[in-house]
Amino acid sequence: DTAVSQTPKYLVTQMGNDKSIKCEQNLGHDTMYWYKQDSKKFLKIMFSYNNKELIINETVPNRFSPKSPDKAHLNLHINSLELGDSAVYFCASSLAGDADTQYFGPGTRLTVL
Amino acid sequence: GEDVEQSLFLSVREGDSSVINCTYTDSSSTYLYWYKQEPGAGLQLLTYIFSNMDMKQDQRLTVLLNKKDKHLSLRIADTQTGDSAIYFCAERPGGFKTIFGAGTRLFVKA
Repeated sequence: DTAVSQTPKYLVTQMGNDKSIKCEQNLGHDTMYWYKQDSKKFLKIMFSYNNKELIINETVPNRFSPKSPDKAHLNLHINSLELGDSAVYFCASSLAGDADTQYFGPGTRLTVL
Repeated sequence: GEDVEQSLFLSVREGDSSVINCTYTDSSSTYLYWYKQEPGAGLQLLTYIFSNMDMKQDQRLTVLLNKKDKHLSLRIADTQTGDSAIYFCAERPGGFKTIFGAGTRLFVKA
């Protein structure tokens, strides 16, 4: 009964490839997020969707494109992967008004060779 | 600007109290949070405090908020080895964005 799930858990790929990470939440939340955590554990917001609408779009290269087919899903597609994209990517969700506390997925560790 | 600062490391002995400190910059933050991250896992909400409160207690956890100094602390009583993790302070200045600190690595020595 995982609340926020991500697939895959690990992703190892070559530079220049295109890859996707999927996220699903079964909490009935209306807001979902993508974060990037670097090797020093610094957590940076990338995108957020509320009711399938993009509401946060931080300074992220155009190679990153989020897609929210419905409120329960938020996917992240990355084109032309670069070495600097190697990180752990966390999906999270929250319910507006519920103290906006966020529930995080287990993370996807992306390694670009 | 938006910034959350916390010390990077804290080491305590098992059974002692741990106090993790944090300062934030946005005085309009409605909520302030503490999240815990264990190795290889995502962040997990520990507790949060509404900005009109100055203290919140939840079992072994005590959160103190000093709005004047924009200072937030988390006290863990009777610290256990299982408390070893990274603790993130976070503020929510408004809208949908939550700003996280860099995390404090808590080491608990047996």
